[in-house]
Amino acid sequence: DQQVKQNSPSLSVQEGRISILNCDYTNSMFDYFLWYKKYPAEGPTFLISISSIKDKNEDGRFTVFLNKSAKHLSLHIVPSQPGDSAVYFCAALIQGAQKLVFGQGTRLTINP
Amino acid sequence: EAQVTQNPRYLITVTGKKLTVTCSQNMNHEYMSWYRQDPGLGLRQIYYSMNVEVTDKGDVPEGYKVSRKEKRNFPLILESPSPNQTSLYFCASSLNRNKNYEQYFGPGTRLTVT
Repeated sequence: DQQVKQNSPSLSVQEGRISILNCDYTNSMFDYFLWYKKYPAEGPTFLISISSIKDKNEDGRFTVFLNKSAKHLSLHIVPSQPGDSAVYFCAALIQGAQKLVFGQGTRLTINP
Repeated sequence: EAQVTQNPRYLITVTGKKLTVTCSQNMNHEYMSWYRQDPGLGLRQIYYSMNVEVTDKGDVPEGYKVSRKEKRNFPLILESPSPNQTSLYFCASSLNRNKNYEQYFGPGTRLTVT
């Protein structure tokens, strides 16, 4: 049972435009959400996170939005740059629990 | 430089031949974990360790063993590898279980079992 789902395997966006990556979850006990970014031949790296008590967290060009009632979060990248081309994983956890639960990943391609 | 290292990075082996993938971190982290990444399934946790001599199963532990004799090392052992264990493996660490959202990942080990 996939508790964290990223329904778009891939996304292509033009450089300078906004990239929006989506993630849905089913477990209402999750209270912390994260995005990881992964380049080829490297491990995932932490990008941005949000606590369930917030609905928005911003870090430079990256903003994560959380809609608890819809059990949905999204990552906005503005403006998109070629270096943003990577696979993005959404993840969720119950704080103090033993594991992160990851989505399937979305491959983002930024076109010049 | 703070990092998680894995060895080997690439491994091709045959069914039934025991192998070990090493993982080491230099950040004095308490929490360590192993994941496998498969197409369409994302990252799934195999085993985790909250500290020395404390390990537990993740979501997909069958066919794997781990040990945590030292804080910095967390090897993954495949006693009798099978083709369905062909995958990309990642080791990760975090400060402790209360900070396990900010996990630091190694570069990955691509394993092929024929």
